[in-house]
Amino acid sequence: NTVMTQSPTSMFISVGDRVTMNCKASQNVGTNVDWYQQKTGQSPKLLIYGASNRYTGVPDRFTGSGSGTDFTLTISNMQAEDLAVYYCLQYNYKNTFGAGTKLELK
Amino acid sequence: QVNLLQSGAALVKPGASVKLSCKASGYTFTDYYIHWVKQSHGKSLEWIGYINPNSGYTNYNEKFKSKATLTVDKSTNTAYMELSRLTSEDSATYYCTREYYGGYFDYWGQGVMVTVSS
Repeated sequence: NTVMTQSPTSMFISVGDRVTMNCKASQNVGTNVDWYQQKTGQSPKLLIYGASNRYTGVPDRFTGSGSGTDFTLTISNMQAEDLAVYYCLQYNYKNTFGAGTKLELK
Repeated sequence: QVNLLQSGAALVKPGASVKLSCKASGYTFTDYYIHWVKQSHGKSLEWIGYINPNSGYTNYNEKFKSKATLTVDKSTNTAYMELSRLTSEDSATYYCTREYYGGYFDYWGQGVMVTVSS
């Protein structure tokens, strides 16, 4: 099974910050990684697919990068509405989610 | 517009089974796989498995192979997941989601909370 290790577990941020979170796969998954955003009480929402492709309607402050085993999601200009938990998902072999990175206000 | 409407919350006794539904609308049901995802309270997401609504082919996370059974009813555009021999570990919110052609999950149901308690 492919394990997806996300870091950090949580981050305290301010509006306007540049935020970077990481996801490390236990084996090579190519670019078969998505990123999802989940706000409290809501279903997850797709942000990035295929490691670096922004989904329709997602603001361009969200950027995904990486391949192989190391992946990054960057929020360039953090907004209050971006407070959420972010999950990476690999679908190279079956599907595995990371444990999530929670963004909280300082 | 695409919508996945899940059945309401369930309270079930330990040892019993429960069948959750996910009714699809706004697209051709048989064109996209349906996946199921578990989220225990305050925890991360776990992939349970998927079903191809056209063929009925299923693929499961090994962890859930003896716990979950995925089926569909093409006549009503509805996907089902039956969870058997329930324990407190099965108390969670369960989501159905549509896979877009071998890639990502583009639409999600609203989730259904299952509580296992005597």
